[in-house]
Order: sequence, then structure tokens, then C-alpha cells
Amino acid sequence: QSALTQPPSASGSPGQSVTISCTGTSSDIGNYNFVSWYQQHPGTAPKLILYEVFKRPSGVPDRFSGSKSGNTASLTVSGLQAEDEADYYCTSYAGNNNYVFGTGTKVTVL
Amino acid sequence: QVQLQESGPGLVKSSETLSLTCTVSGGSISSDWWTWIRQPPGKGLEWIAYMYYSGSTNYNPSLNSRATISIDTSKNQFSLKLISVIAADTAVYYCARGDYSDGFDIWGQGTMVTVSS
Repeated sequence: QSALTQPPSASGSPGQSVTISCTGTSSDIGNYNFVSWYQQHPGTAPKLILYEVFKRPSGVPDRFSGSKSGNTASLTVSGLQAEDEADYYCTSYAGNNNYVFGTGTKVTVL
Repeated sequence: QVQLQESGPGLVKSSETLSLTCTVSGGSISSDWWTWIRQPPGKGLEWIAYMYYSGSTNYNPSLNSRATISIDTSKNQFSLKLISVIAADTAVYYCARGDYSDGFDIWGQGTMVTVSS
């Protein structure tokens, strides 16, 4: 299956909000509420920040929120902080015991 | 808390077999799903395989049956073998815990594997 499509980059000033889209198909995002998001700082392992579209693991600030409409999921980071500068990846269950990751988005805090 | 640590050779020759082990500490491997994910240099993430502790396995079809994931509950470890490696298999390999509903909530630090000709 093809990777989920994310914009290569996004940016915002401290305190602002940035929204990252993750577009799939009716076979993955459109058919399942099993979308998760990961934050990855350079040289480190990814960190889970959202699962099942909008649920936050313990310890993840509520500045991170998620939603889904049709074949597209979105991650919004509100009140941008310097430490939010990282790469972000979405992933979705794609049926038949398969997953698919997104292409990744580099978020820059201006 | 549960921690994961990958181990294995950092250099593998083309056409040979890549073998990695993930050691689970701070908890039992006899629960949950366990996964291998990789990331080529400068590129995105790709899931390779995942399995339930009881033995159910699933593989990314794009790897054309080259991958095998296994678990050793006595050692609290799970492993990955990737046969007939090529340059495109050069990547940071991560082990992780989780599944499609709860997400991959715990990751190892990753280990870089380079395929040489």
C-alpha cells in the first residue's frame, strides 16, 4: 500500500497553532479510527503523541489534538513551543493486519 | 517501566542475512504486541513486522517474505531476521511495543544497520 500523504513542512511562531494533514484512502484512514501520530526529534526514536485519532497517552500535553474527516486525519499543535520543533509522522491501520506510515512533516518554530 | 534495547551487527554484506534482537526489560514480553520498524537515512518510517507474544505474526507485504519475526519468552527478547539484504535495507531499525489501536507506545533507541557491497 502507498504511504499516507503529509505536507513536507509546516511552521508557526511561538504561541501560534499549526495543523498537519495526513491523507490516505478509504482502505486505511477512511475505514478505521486507528490513526496515531508520532513526534521525532533529530537522532532520537519517535514518541507516540496521539492514538485512535485523538487520544493522548499519559504525559502528552493537551496542546496536541487530533481529528479525522473522511480519508484525512489531522494533528494540531496549539501554543507552539520551541521544543515542538520536530518531525511528525502519522500512521493508520490499513486492514489485513497491515499498517501504513505517513511521509512525515518537519515542523519549524519560527 | 518497560524499556527496549536493540542489538545486532551494524554492518551486513549484500545478499546476506540481517539479524537483530530486542531485549525487553522492566516488564514481561508475555503480553502485548511487539514490532520492528525501520527508517532509512533521511527518510520516513516503515513497519516491517509485528507479532503477539503468543506467536501470531504479520509482515509488511512490500518486503516480499524476506522478514521473519520471532519471540523468546524465556529470554524476554524478540528478534528480526531479514534475508537477502540489499543497499535499500540500510536503515535505523527500531523495536517497539504496541499495536494499531493503542499505537506504538514504547520504542528502543534504534540501531543503525548498513548493508555493504
